Amino acid sequence: AQKITQTQPGMFVQEKEAVTLDCTYDTSDQSYGLFWYKQPSSGEMIFLIYQGSYDEQNATEGRYSLNFQKARKSANLVISASQLGDSAMYFCAMREGIRTGANNLFFGTGTRLTVIP
Amino acid sequence: DTEVTQTPKHLVMGMTNKKSLKCEQHMGHRAMYWYKQKAKKPPELMFVYSYEKLSINESVPSRFSPECPNSSLLNLHLHALQPEDSALYLCASSLEPGAYEQYFGPGTRLTVT
Repeated sequence: AQKITQTQPGMFVQEKEAVTLDCTYDTSDQSYGLFWYKQPSSGEMIFLIYQGSYDEQNATEGRYSLNFQKARKSANLVISASQLGDSAMYFCAMREGIRTGANNLFFGTGTRLTVIP
Repeated sequence: DTEVTQTPKHLVMGMTNKKSLKCEQHMGHRAMYWYKQKAKKPPELMFVYSYEKLSINESVPSRFSPECPNSSLLNLHLHALQPEDSALYLCASSLEPGAYEQYFGPGTRLTVT
């Protein structure tokens, strides 16, 4: 079974609007971490935001926020006030066994976001 | 310095060639990673080094040989590759093996002819 599912292969958003990128995950671990990375066409994976399974508040980093719904096993990324530079591939990822120091980072298939001027 | 660097940026090699990819970080991170990313696919973990020791090998063929000469440097030696090995090879590092975020380098685009 897929550990991370991103159901939107591509998304379009008007500049200055907000956009939500969907991510659902599957794990039986109690301790896990959820990540969002941005990958521009240059190839570099840029870390955006992290949410721990025990964090009670949704993570926020500038224009990025993570809508974490633990019971639904979803970790959607919200980008507010979209900019042209936000056009990129976005990957949701999960690491299980955070407290045991496990290293495997499982990635979803990604969502390509295009910001329209 | 919050950067992971990778060289070369692009590499074209024949199936009989031997080449190496290099990754460097000067953030004092003690875990380093190699990922392989095929076009339009997510990255897949290949190797993990923790404190300069190989801790994870995700059943990678022996034609890929990792090396960690010191805590700042990670190499990936390539020999007798196949055309299907063409991909973007990403290096990453994290402060500790179980640390939250991994910092990625820009990758090496490898083409095997």
